[in-house]
Amino acid sequence: EVQLLESGGGLIQPGRSLRLSCAASGFTFSTYALTWVRQAPGKGLEWVSTIVGSDSSTHYANSVQGRFTISRDNSKNTLYLQMDSLRVDDTAIYYCAKAKASGGSLTWVFDYWGQGILVTVSS
Amino acid sequence: EIVLTQSPVTLSLSPGERATLSCRASQGVSGNYLAWYQQRPGQTPRLLIFGAFTRAPGIPDRFSGSGSGTDFTLTISRLEPEDFAVYYCQQYGSFALTFGGGTKVEIK
Repeated sequence: EVQLLESGGGLIQPGRSLRLSCAASGFTFSTYALTWVRQAPGKGLEWVSTIVGSDSSTHYANSVQGRFTISRDNSKNTLYLQMDSLRVDDTAIYYCAKAKASGGSLTWVFDYWGQGILVTVSS
Repeated sequence: EIVLTQSPVTLSLSPGERATLSCRASQGVSGNYLAWYQQRPGQTPRLLIFGAFTRAPGIPDRFSGSGSGTDFTLTISRLEPEDFAVYYCQQYGSFALTFGGGTKVEIK
């Protein structure tokens, strides 16, 4: 059974840094792209970042480019999101999500999602 | 980036009725790479449809996707109580990946 469990969220002041983790199990972690998607309170879904399984190439939304860094540790089956220079509008539930397939167009479709972790940026 | 506009924002229907949800893209979606997700209250998103019309495993056949280019539709043929939720479309034909703003299907 695929499981994704996020951790590391909480209340943080603007301008500070936070690192989210997503522990994965139930699939061959190293071969799948993994993605962070966020959802501001009462709002819709927003893609944040993806790291591809095959070559660990990374992709970012314009809103986080240069501030957030996605990474993975295949030996620990763990995905990370380093969030620097946090802003109030980064406040959201952050979900990690698994790609539906290990290659091709379905790299960018998400078939399993974690329960999400709340990040609140406020002074 | 491609902007996805979903309509209506809210759809009020009764169980057993047919629901038709629209997702319009600001430019053509390459390869018709469009997915639909369902998010029930307090739950995580669930993949329903990918490639515009292919149902994900375990998704009932009352859910169907159609469309191409810039206009896509999710149809729920007969609403069951568990179908009242928010639905999002997502395009994955080009970066940045984008989601629509969602359509809430509520009980009338």
